[in-house]
Amino acid sequence: QSVLTQPPSVSGTPGQRVTISCSGSSSNIGNNYVFWYQQFPGTAPTLLIYRNFQRSSGVPDRFSGSKSGTSASLAISGLRPQDAAEYYCSAWDDRLSRLVFGGGTKLTV
Amino acid sequence: ELQLVESGGGLVKPGGSLRLSCAGSGFTLSSHSMTWVRQAPGKGLEWVASISSSASSIYYADSVRGRFTIFRDNAKESLFLQMSSLRVEDTAVYFCARDQYAIVASPNYYGMDVWGQGTTVTVS
Repeated sequence: QSVLTQPPSVSGTPGQRVTISCSGSSSNIGNNYVFWYQQFPGTAPTLLIYRNFQRSSGVPDRFSGSKSGTSASLAISGLRPQDAAEYYCSAWDDRLSRLVFGGGTKLTV
Repeated sequence: ELQLVESGGGLVKPGGSLRLSCAGSGFTLSSHSMTWVRQAPGKGLEWVASISSSASSIYYADSVRGRFTIFRDNAKESLFLQMSSLRVEDTAVYFCARDQYAIVASPNYYGMDVWGQGTTVTVS
């Protein structure tokens, strides 16, 4: 059971817009920054979004992050087949004193 | 090119020990906080431990505290994870990652922006 809750899977068609939610609590998302990582099968994760909405270097503006209260979202617009991957949200948890991840969301295009 | 390369993974029996290493290139590893993250087969990401650039701050996940030790040799631009009393549930791919500006618990944390390719640890 992950501290941050993500849907196991989402799907969309090319050109569509999808969102991936990440639900937490006051001790993590509610009081700290949220980060999003993208991972393709058999490869290492890469930093997609840092500090809630900042795009990492080279990340297209089709990817956007947002945060409200104890929840965060990753939106992907103009969906492309190459966006198919696993996406993880992450945040520091003050109560647990550890970095926590969501369980991951598999995006199918 | 910024790169991290892990090594030291392998097959070990329960109760055994293993030391993972992580070497950086293209940047000064000694200037950055560093983190180990693991991923069990078919599972999600799990944070393991983090260490500040000077090793003055160290954080561990509860699941490994007391069994794993994160340390670094800045003179050799290297990061390590000493794993002892290994359990079957420690089986995973272990990634080392660079903390972009500050350690995970810091208000100035900017995430992990460079990752290694991972090294596989199998406890069986």
